Amino acid sequence: DAKTTQPTSMDCAEGRAANLPCNHSTISGNEYVYWYRQIHSQGPQYIIHGLKNNETNEMASLIITEDRKSSTLILPHATLRDTAVYYCIAGYSTLTFGKGTMLLVSP
Amino acid sequence: DAGITQSPRHKVTETGTPVTLRCHQTENHRYMYWYRQDPGHGLRLIHYSYGVKDTDKGEVSDGYSVSRSKTEDFLLTLESATSSQTSVYFCAISGGQFNTGELFFGEGSRLTVL
Repeated sequence: DAKTTQPTSMDCAEGRAANLPCNHSTISGNEYVYWYRQIHSQGPQYIIHGLKNNETNEMASLIITEDRKSSTLILPHATLRDTAVYYCIAGYSTLTFGKGTMLLVSP
Repeated sequence: DAGITQSPRHKVTETGTPVTLRCHQTENHRYMYWYRQDPGHGLRLIHYSYGVKDTDKGEVSDGYSVSRSKTEDFLLTLESATSSQTSVYFCAISGGQFNTGELFFGEGSRLTVL
């Protein structure tokens, strides 16, 4: 898996968009970008993934730069329940989780 | 939610004793994984399986063995538990009918080795 770099922590006001960046400058052509989150001590939860194109689902949007060296996860209207650690992973088969970004959503 | 059950959910044991954690899935997914999570280290892959009787080592496999005798069960064994194996262990599955690579995780098993 390619190495990823994420900020250690971020803050967001409830109702605002949360934009979580991820750098994966060494990503190879067949590696996907995956995003997961982990709420407190629960098991990680899959959010979204993409290869080249931007993706959107009911949880979030994923914006991947044209050179694929970085991406941004967007939670369009953050709620208090979105407070979690968010992991960005660039990989293909077995996925390597880093330390992620702790997102704190405040009222 | 994916049908993944981990057992036991909590266990306290003593150094030197054998421990087996079980992961059971009802989704017929091909791939199964064991991760451990420790403060300051994030999630680290221990072993994984890509089919019945087919397993491979992950990043931190020393001191652990696994077995998969049927699709639905993936066992993680600590032959002789040590205090450094105190951790939260997560099982994950992937490779369903419409496989797009995402992992689905169980709720975790908290192991304390005294």
